[in-house]
Amino acid sequence: DTAVSQTPKYLVTQMGNDKSIKCEQNLGHDTMYWYKQDSKKFLKIMFSYNNKELIINETVPNRFSPKSPDKAHLNLHINSLELGDSAVYFCASSQVLQNTEAFFGQGTRLTVV
Amino acid sequence: AQKVTQAQTEISVVEKEDVTLDCVYETRDTTYYLFWYKQPPSGELVFLIRRNSFDEQNEISGRYSWNFQKSTSSFNFTITASQVVDSAVYFCALNNNAGNMLTFGGGTRLMVKP
Repeated sequence: DTAVSQTPKYLVTQMGNDKSIKCEQNLGHDTMYWYKQDSKKFLKIMFSYNNKELIINETVPNRFSPKSPDKAHLNLHINSLELGDSAVYFCASSQVLQNTEAFFGQGTRLTVV
Repeated sequence: AQKVTQAQTEISVVEKEDVTLDCVYETRDTTYYLFWYKQPPSGELVFLIRRNSFDEQNEISGRYSWNFQKSTSSFNFTITASQVVDSAVYFCALNNNAGNMLTFGGGTRLMVKP
């Protein structure tokens, strides 16, 4: 029973394409996130989302957009992919009101060629 | 603005040695939370500990222990009698409850050699 699951685990695509990464959590958490880990292992928040509020890290290009069909899902859409988008993308969830720790998915390694 | 600094980018020890991973943070908030995560070679992020700013008690969990010192804004992590399976990248992180987003340090790669 995976708590936070992302698909696909690996994604190789060409520049200019549009792609999506799916994320689902079965923990009943109220908030979900996307983080980006670059080649030097730096982890940075991209988005925080609950059913009321989307918080966007201002450094994230608007080619990236989160879409949440319901409380348990937060998908990441990326338009017009660029070489610099190559990274590992992590989905996470937490229960904000109780300030619990964030649980992470296994990551999606995106390679843009 | 928040910031987390892990000055040690890479540490190499021999099995059974003790090792301490340093973490220094900056925040203007009086209420905040500190975390440690482990990222083994398989790539997933594994939660290790959460500590709130009002609780300065040190914590021990098996071979792991954490030393939180508000006076020096540090939250250091010690592994006693290290094992090869401890080899991983360890991240210290901070949030101030603003949407619960985490600010991560740059990570420390720990290599434990047999």
